[in-house]
Amino acid sequence: AQTVTQSQPEMSVQEAETVTLSCTYDTSESDYYLFWYKQPPSRQMILVIRQEAYKQQNATENRFSVNFQKAAKSFSLKISDSQLGDAAMYFCAYYGGTQGGSEKLVFGKGTKLTVNP
Amino acid sequence: DTGVSQNPRHKITKRGQNVTFRCDPISEHNRLYWYRQTLGQGPEFLTYFQNEAQLEKSRLLSDRFSAERPKGSFSTLEIQRTEQGDSAMYLCASSSRSVGNSPLHFGNGTRLTVT
Repeated sequence: AQTVTQSQPEMSVQEAETVTLSCTYDTSESDYYLFWYKQPPSRQMILVIRQEAYKQQNATENRFSVNFQKAAKSFSLKISDSQLGDAAMYFCAYYGGTQGGSEKLVFGKGTKLTVNP
Repeated sequence: DTGVSQNPRHKITKRGQNVTFRCDPISEHNRLYWYRQTLGQGPEFLTYFQNEAQLEKSRLLSDRFSAERPKGSFSTLEIQRTEQGDSAMYLCASSSRSVGNSPLHFGNGTRLTVT
């Protein structure tokens, strides 16, 4: 079974600085998708960034970028110019594609990010 | 786009009682998902609907749990004979395409406390 591991339960960053959240995963599939979701204190989870495994280029969305290392099964999230609104739980998630007909996302345990003013 | 709506926001019940939660997805989304999130954990997949058909169920969804989406619009999740281990946040999400190609839009969740 696929697993997602986030080894940092909590992280903190100063406003305007850069922080990197770590994620590793385990899979035997060659084609899959990886995501970072953000869950602010209001609890509504939103998608931050998405990466397709067959694409070697790292995904970027404004201040958010990933470092995708397929061989190492590593998928870290970098947040540049951190803002107070970035404070949230961040979940790494894996999707194995539709080969098996599953629509299941597998989430890690999350990293709580605190942004200090 | 009014977002995914879940009701109630909070539910406190005694062990052994039945509870039902409701989820109203984004209107044009034909895919609907239920996840469960316990304290300190990430969401865990429970079940998935495409239109009114329940296409996937997790082994987490014991026979005390049942979900429906009768007309392909709103969905209900019922837990019978609740146990303290059922205490969790129940999240609903919807999307217009497969998870890989379209983001999941989550609701605010229903927090269940079983006493």
